Amino acid sequence: KAGVTQTPRYLIKTRGQQVTLSCSPISGHRSVSWYQQTPGQGLQFLFEYFSETQRNKGNFPGRFSGRQFSNSRSEMNVSTLELGDSALYLCASSFGGARLSGNTIYFGEGSWLTVV
Amino acid sequence: SQQGEEDPQALSIQEGENATMNCSYKTSINNLQWYRQNSGRGLVHLILIRSNEREKHSGRLRVTLDTSKKSSSLLITASRAADTASYFCATGPIQGAQKLVFGQGTRLTINP
Repeated sequence: KAGVTQTPRYLIKTRGQQVTLSCSPISGHRSVSWYQQTPGQGLQFLFEYFSETQRNKGNFPGRFSGRQFSNSRSEMNVSTLELGDSALYLCASSFGGARLSGNTIYFGEGSWLTVV
Repeated sequence: SQQGEEDPQALSIQEGENATMNCSYKTSINNLQWYRQNSGRGLVHLILIRSNEREKHSGRLRVTLDTSKKSSSLLITASRAADTASYFCATGPIQGAQKLVFGQGTRLTINP
């Protein structure tokens, strides 16, 4: 079956602009989470959505937001872009049920964002 | 913040040799997962090991977990050039919260 799909793969934005990234999880997965990867900070958890509700949130400013649709697809948005937002943004999906604490979490190929 | 440390940060070996990477973490866990990342690509899931397991195998991969020491290791046997990548351990999920906390990773280079 298809894996986690992220679009776009690469994009360049200007400081002050906003960006929206999209993620389609593996079929049947209801949990979608987002991570930021930078050389300096490594892999950092942004937030997780389950059944259209944000269930967990990392330590990022409010400029970073997301949402999940009824078909489990998710988008994340970064407003008022800063140079430091340049990163690889990774989406991950899993079944995510509260009782299934041993869920394997699968990642997409990521979206490379460059802010100039 | 990172959960813990990975050791070594970089490892270079000859093709055919075994590679061992270690991961330490700070808090109690339910699960620990290992991932591979080729340069510029996404994360590929390798193995999930639960806190009540001590060892798991998958092909040429062997993962051990020592919860008393809060550490895990990944062994790749008979390495190949295609194993060249960064390897990350991540703790989680825990109690339904699908959040992973990653180490800084080990950069593995396999020399032909």
